[in-house]
Amino acid sequence: GNSVTQMEGPVTLSEEAFLTINCTYTATGYPSLFWYVQYPGEGLQLLLKATKADDKGSNKGFEATYRKETTSFHLEKGSVQVSDSAVYFCALSDRSNDYKLSFGAGTTVTVRA
Amino acid sequence: DARVTQTPRHKVTEMGQEVTMRCQPILGHNTVFWYRQTMMQGLELLAYFRNRAPLDDSGMPKDRFSAEMPDATLATLKIQPSEPRDSAVYFCASGFVDGVYNEQFFGPGTRLTVL
Repeated sequence: GNSVTQMEGPVTLSEEAFLTINCTYTATGYPSLFWYVQYPGEGLQLLLKATKADDKGSNKGFEATYRKETTSFHLEKGSVQVSDSAVYFCALSDRSNDYKLSFGAGTTVTVRA
Repeated sequence: DARVTQTPRHKVTEMGQEVTMRCQPILGHNTVFWYRQTMMQGLELLAYFRNRAPLDDSGMPKDRFSAEMPDATLATLKIQPSEPRDSAVYFCASGFVDGVYNEQFFGPGTRLTVL
């Protein structure tokens, strides 16, 4: 079956620090990969996605590259801001699971000024 | 700016009472999902519909939960009777699933507290 493993948090950083959140996956098919972000008191928002190997998704300074050889989709941002404090979820979907999302456990990121 | 809307945003009720949560998916989306989020279990898929037909509700406690989609603009999740362990945030999400565009768009959630 499908599964997603992401780096456990919480992660605490200073403003302008580099952020990496590791995500690896197991899938029976050829999945699409996503990063969702959840700000306090809100629903999940799609941050970025990639649909095939070597694709790079990017948004709001965040990037993640679909690495089929290592089954990974690590999230990175070069210089975080306080406003990036949130919970980040890695997820995948593919045809074998009727495109339902399989989520990682989420990583809580806190950025201090 | 199309969004998924959910009502109510907050609900406090007593054990044994009926709770109904509503969701308006984004117009044109063919798939609607109900999730529950708790600290202990994280995000759990409860049920989902495609073109208003229920496809899978295996994530729901069958004896007390029910999900329906009476029309394309409304999905409902009902709990009867509610129990304290149902306290959670319930999210609705919608998407146009066609094998190419598969992302889901989430509503703001209903925070349910059962006393």
